[in-house]
Formats: sequence, C-alpha cells, structure tokens
Amino acid sequence: AQTVTQSQPEMSVQEAETVTLSCTYDTSESDYYLFWYKQPPSRQMILVIRQEAYKQQNATENRFSVNFQKAAKSFSLKISDSQLGDAAMYFCAYRLLYNTDKLIFGTGTRLQVFP
Amino acid sequence: DSGVTQTPKHLITATGQRVTLRCSPRSGDLSVYWYQQSLDQGLQFLIQYYNGEERAKGNILERFSAQQFPDLHSELNLSSLELGDSALYFCASSVGLAGMASYEQYFGPGTRLTVT
Repeated sequence: AQTVTQSQPEMSVQEAETVTLSCTYDTSESDYYLFWYKQPPSRQMILVIRQEAYKQQNATENRFSVNFQKAAKSFSLKISDSQLGDAAMYFCAYRLLYNTDKLIFGTGTRLQVFP
Repeated sequence: DSGVTQTPKHLITATGQRVTLRCSPRSGDLSVYWYQQSLDQGLQFLIQYYNGEERAKGNILERFSAQQFPDLHSELNLSSLELGDSALYFCASSVGLAGMASYEQYFGPGTRLTVT
C-alpha cells in the first residue's frame, strides 16, 4: 500500500527567509503524481504545486519549488522569500497515474512565519 | 475560490442522527470526491463518483453513503452518527479520471460536522 510520511509536525521561518518541508512516500508503482497542498486557517485546501513522477525536472511555481528524488522517494517543498501569508498547514499527497484517482495524504506540517 | 461549493458550512447534530452534506462541482467537472479530515485520522479518501456512477471507495463506513445526481452535484449521507464522526468533510472535483490527461482535484471549503 502507498503511504506518505511528513516527519516534521511543525516548522517555523522568519519572513523573507527560505524554509524546506520534507515528505517521503512509499510505493512500488512507477507512474504517479505528487502534490503539495496548503491549508490556511480558513481550512480551504489549496494546491500549491504538482510533480509528475516521469518528469526529471523539478516543478516550480513562483516562490515554491520542489526537490523530487524518485529513487529516494523523497519530495520536499522549498518556500523562498517566505511571507506571512504562507503560514498554514502543508500536506504532501500522492496519486497514482492510472487505475485510481484518490489522493493519499501525509499528516501535515504546520508552518509558522515570524515577522 | 475553487469553484466547488459545499453546504452547509457547519452542522451540529446529536449522536444517532442522520445528516446530508451537499457538493456542487466546478462547471464541467465530472468527477466528485469526498474526503474526511479528522484530528486522529488526518485526511482520508472516502468515495469517488464519475458522471453519476461510483468509481472508487476508500475508508468509508457502512453507515455512510453517497450519490451523484444527473446534474452532477453529489450528496454524502451520514447516518447513526457517533462522536467520532465529528470532522471536516471535503468535496473535491476534477475534469476526468486517472489515465486521462493530467488534471487537478479542486477542493470545496468543507463542511464542519460536530456530533454531540
């Protein structure tokens, strides 16, 4: 069975600094997607970034980038130039490319941003 | 705003009762997913419907059921409620299915269910 592990329950960063959130996953499949979702205090789930496992290039969305290490089954999120609005729970999620659409989530990392 | 709407936003009910949560997907999306977010279980997939038909089941209790109607809105029915059913219930929608062109799941704002 596929599992997603986020080993950092909480992280903190100062405004304008860079922080990296860790995620590892376990799967025997070769075709899948990985996602980072942000959940601010409003509880809305917001997609931050997506990575296709067949792509070697790491995904980037503005200040958000990932370090995808397929062999190590690692998928970390780097937030550059952190802003107060980045404070939220961040969830790593996995989805197979075929056969099933369900997202499998990690337990989340709470990110605090200090001015 | 993701374009996915859920009603009601909050629901408080007693043990043993039955409730219905409603979800309207984004315009054009055929797939609807239900997820449960609780303190002890995290975010868990419950069930998926695609164009009116059940597509996949996850950790959904027998006391829970869902359906997707011809207009593509979906309802999640929770019966014989227990204290442990208190959670945030999310609906998400997407255009298609696994294996089709890459797509995203867009989440609604959730329904907060409190069972007392």
